[in-house]
Parts: sequence; C-alpha cells; structure tokens
Amino acid sequence: QVQLQESGPGLVTPSETLSLTCAVSGGSISTYYWSWIRQSPGKGLEWIGYIYYSGSTKYSPSLKSRVTMSLDTSNNQFSLKLTSVTAADTAVYYCARLIYGSTGFFDYWGQGTLVTVSP
Amino acid sequence: QSVLTQPPSVSGAPGQRVTISCTGSNSNIGAGYDVHWYQHLPGTAPKLLINGNNNRPSGVTDRFSGSKSGTSASLAITGLQAEDEADYYCQSYDRSLSGSWVFGGGTRLTVL
Repeated sequence: QVQLQESGPGLVTPSETLSLTCAVSGGSISTYYWSWIRQSPGKGLEWIGYIYYSGSTKYSPSLKSRVTMSLDTSNNQFSLKLTSVTAADTAVYYCARLIYGSTGFFDYWGQGTLVTVSP
Repeated sequence: QSVLTQPPSVSGAPGQRVTISCTGSNSNIGAGYDVHWYQHLPGTAPKLLINGNNNRPSGVTDRFSGSKSGTSASLAITGLQAEDEADYYCQSYDRSLSGSWVFGGGTRLTVL
C-alpha cells in the first residue's frame, strides 16, 4: 500500500518561499507521476503541478511562474517550492500520485499539511 | 470559482439514494475527458472512489457508481450509510490554457 506524507513549515512569511516535501513509502517514486494539489479555506481543490520520475514537470498555468518541483530518488521523496507567497497561498497542501493518461487521476494522496502565510 | 460545478450540499436519509452532479464545459468533460470522483473526510487523505467515469477501484463498495453524459457527470450513492457523510469532489482534465487537471468545488453529503 503506497503512503504519502507531507512535511514542511506550517507558517510562511509573505513574499518568502514555501517549501514542502512529500515522502513516499510502500513503493518507489520511479516510473510514476507525482503531483501537488492544494485547497484554500472554503474553496475547492486546485492542481499545482506534477513531476515525472525522469524529472520532467508540468505546472498549472496560474502558478507556473512561481512553482518549482524536484525529486529526491535516493530518499524516495519529492518537493514543492512556491516563491513570493501571499495570503492567497494559505491552504492545505496535498501530495498525490498521478496515474497519467488522456485524463489522469490521483490514486493515492497524503493527509495534507496546512500552510498559513502570515507576517 | 472552480472549473467544474458541483452543488454545495446534498442530503439523504439512511438507506436512500442520492446523486451529486458535476457540470463542466466543452474544454473538459464535453471534450471527451473522463471524470473521476473522490471522497474526503476533513483531516484525512482524499480517497479515489470512481475513475474513468464509472470504474470502482478495488475495495470501493458497489453502492457508489458514476456516469457521464455530454458536459456533465454524476455520482450516485445507494443505501446511504452514516459513514458516507463526507465531501465529494469530481475531477477531469481541461485542455484550455496548455491543459491542466481540474476539480469541482466539492459537495458536502449529510446523512440525516
């Protein structure tokens, strides 16, 4: 059973960089696509982007200029960096495995981690 | 504002059948992209309920079923149980703006 666990600071100062890591257990991060998804308070889910085990990435058009994702295959984990954060980036951030296809879906998710952007 | 539109809430009594709608457009559901559904209890990991419009992953009860027609999709839950009380999200792919995965705003199911 694949399990994902997000970790990172729960509080980030405006204009700084949000950094999160997702540790994957029960399976290798190789050969799959891995995504970040967030949910702002009172809102729906928003896809942030994905990274493939080869290192290729695709980001949401609305966040593309501020997002970077990376892989750490030796530790079976992947990461998210979001620069120049504002209060609008306050959200629960989830990592998930993407089953890629003509219409991909997310079959395993982490429990999520709340990140608050505040002075 | 989510790309896919869901009702904010639905409710039903134990044993009843409820449906949750998911309305998109010609750049996502109407373009032929599949719809997938997730169940989410706050504080837990979202769970994949339906993939590819109407396929249940192993371990998901057959009380859940999905359908798709035109620019919309639906999730049906039969034999409502208290444990079904949760948030439900639909998801698809949108080919506009270089393409991205999109979600509905979520529907809170209350079991009366």
